Amino acid sequence: DGGITQSPKYLFRKEGQNVTLSCEQNLNHDAMYWYRQDPGQGLRLIYYSQIVNDFQKGDIAEGYSVSREKKESFPLTVTSAQKNPTAFYLCATVGSVHRGNWVGNQPQHFGDGTRLSIL
Amino acid sequence: GNSVTQMEGPVTLSEEAFLTINCTYTATGYPSLFWYVQYPGEGLQLLLKATKADDKGSNKGFEATYRKETTSFHLEKGSVQVSDSAVYFCALSAGGTSYGKLTFGQGTILTVHP
Repeated sequence: DGGITQSPKYLFRKEGQNVTLSCEQNLNHDAMYWYRQDPGQGLRLIYYSQIVNDFQKGDIAEGYSVSREKKESFPLTVTSAQKNPTAFYLCATVGSVHRGNWVGNQPQHFGDGTRLSIL
Repeated sequence: GNSVTQMEGPVTLSEEAFLTINCTYTATGYPSLFWYVQYPGEGLQLLLKATKADDKGSNKGFEATYRKETTSFHLEKGSVQVSDSAVYFCALSAGGTSYGKLTFGQGTILTVHP
């Protein structure tokens, strides 16, 4: 089945520890996004990537890092510099730019999320 | 910058009641507008979308019309069911170099009782 797989579903972080959240897609989509969801605040953009080996900061990138070495994968690392990491993290993708449709008209597809908590 | 404002919730309704969730936006240019739904413990699913003024998006009995004059995209359903209980997000995707980035409202929790 085509889709987006986020793992793990639940993750716990100790003080001073970096943790990495996985996002894998088999939709052949070019663009990938990471959002953070907190209660009552909607979703906020952390990082996004338009193509392999390229990514840009979103609105709340501090304390996070990403890589995009393969089209299918866009892992997010929550570093120890992120002082309030407890949240629900969602990965999303949007379709290929090569089809001629402006990517902003296309809906994003979301994974089922990873819930990160502090021990 | 771009922003989306949704009506404050939570919203509690009885089954078969009429639903309206208000959404207004601020954006430069001509954004595309979306409604997403989130069920407990899951990611977001696209409910409907509209890409230009006066377009009406519809799906599963839900409707929303892109009103440029009032910068609104209110979600409506004529008769809600218990299975519609979820969190609803209004979002916009602006043009130019935004490259599909979504700006979300804060979400509205809907609970439908039998």
